[in-house]
Amino acid sequence: QSALTQPASVSGSPGQSITISCTGTSSDVGGYNYVSWYQQHPGKAPKLVIYDVSNRPSGVSNRFSGSKSGNTASLTISGLQAEDEADYYCSSYTSSNTRVFGGGTKLTVL
Amino acid sequence: QVQLVQSGAEVKKPGASVKVSCRASGYTFTSYYLHWVRQAPGQGLEWMGLINPGGGTTIYAQNFQGRVTMTRDTSTSTAYMELSSLRSEDMAVYYCTRDHYGDYLFDYWGQGTLVTVSS
Repeated sequence: QSALTQPASVSGSPGQSITISCTGTSSDVGGYNYVSWYQQHPGKAPKLVIYDVSNRPSGVSNRFSGSKSGNTASLTISGLQAEDEADYYCSSYTSSNTRVFGGGTKLTVL
Repeated sequence: QVQLVQSGAEVKKPGASVKVSCRASGYTFTSYYLHWVRQAPGQGLEWMGLINPGGGTTIYAQNFQGRVTMTRDTSTSTAYMELSSLRSEDMAVYYCTRDHYGDYLFDYWGQGTLVTVSS
């Protein structure tokens, strides 16, 4: 199972919006609405920010949103804040009943 | 409150095995899959496999087949991940994380266990 494809880095200024893509195949991202996104600050465990493509867990800011089209899922963060600077990972359920992560995207808030 | 508490850092020689534990509390241990995910220094997250604490069944990622064994002790709500034939590339932080049956998301994570492989 190959890792999902994410851009290595994205950046934006405070207040702006950014979008991170996550591309897989019809056996994972495209085949199921079980894409989740995780935020990871340095030295910390990942934190769930989006599940089932577009749902936000309780306590996660509504500035985080998710979507999917075909084999590509996307995470959008609007109204960028300094605290959003972190690594972001997508994850998907797969047809083999396994899970797969993306390679990760480093978000820099300029 | 839900907690996943992992065992402490380990230093192992190449070729040895390591066994990391993950003690769960604050929820029904047998109602959630327990997954193991690792992260090499400066690298991304890598899914290793899962165990169903209810029945003990496991699913392992292809990359780890034959080298990883996941077990659990329901009497202490503890899951274990043992990785054998360690090599330098196995040096990483190992995380446990839970996933409610049918939910396909990782909502709580352990604090991570650093495994160093060095001769």
